[in-house]
Amino acid sequence: KQEVTQIPAALSVPEGENLVLNCSFTDSAIYNLQWFRQDPGKGLTSLLLIQSSQREQTSGRLNASLDKSSGRSTLYIAASQPGDSATYLCAASSSNTGKLIFGQGTTLQVKP
Amino acid sequence: NAGVTQTPKFQVLKTGQSMTLQCAQDMNHNSMYWYRQDPGMGLRLIYYSASEGTTDKGEVPNGYNVSRLNKREFSLRLESAAPSQTSVYFCASKPTGGWNTEAFFGQGTRLTVV
Repeated sequence: KQEVTQIPAALSVPEGENLVLNCSFTDSAIYNLQWFRQDPGKGLTSLLLIQSSQREQTSGRLNASLDKSSGRSTLYIAASQPGDSATYLCAASSSNTGKLIFGQGTTLQVKP
Repeated sequence: NAGVTQTPKFQVLKTGQSMTLQCAQDMNHNSMYWYRQDPGMGLRLIYYSASEGTTDKGEVPNGYNVSRLNKREFSLRLESAAPSQTSVYFCASKPTGGWNTEAFFGQGTRLTVV
C-alpha cells in the first residue's frame, strides 16, 4: 500500500530565501507525482506534474525532482516571496485508475 | 473555461439528514474522484469513477454513495449524515485513469454535520 509522507509539517523562512520541501513515498512503482498548492479555505492548484520517466520538472521559480529508487521527491522554491505562503501537497499515482495518494502537506510561511 | 465546479460551497446538516454534493467538469475528462480533507489526515479518497458508467470504492467509502450521471457529472450522496462526516469535500478529474495526466480539483464543499 502506497504511503506518502511530507516533512516538515510547517516551515517559516524570511523572504528571498531558497527552500526545499520534501516528499517521500513507499512504493517506487509510481505512475507520476504531482505537487499542489492550497491556500487557506481554497481548493488545490496543480503546480507541477513529474512523469515516472522524468527526473525533474520546472515552472518559473519552482523545480520539482523525482528519484523513484529512493522514493523521494523535492520541490525547490527559489527566491521565496510572501505570496508563496500556502500549504504544499504532494500526491503519488500508483495505479492505472489514476488514484492519488496524498501526503499531509507542508505549511509554508514566508515572512517579509 | 470553468474546470471543475462543485455545489454547494457550504452546507450545514443535522444528524440523519441526507444530501447530495454535485460535481461537474467541462474538460471532457474520463476519470473523476471524490476526496475528503480533514485536519491531520490529509486528503483521502472516498470513491472514484474511471470512466462513464463505472464507480469504485476508495479508502473511506462507508456512509457514502456516488453516481456518475454522465461524462461531465459525478455526485456524492450522504444518505444519513453523521458528525464524523464533517469535512471539506473535493471533487477532481483527470483526462484518463493513469499515466502522466494531471488532476484538476474543484474549490471544495465545506460540510458541517451537527
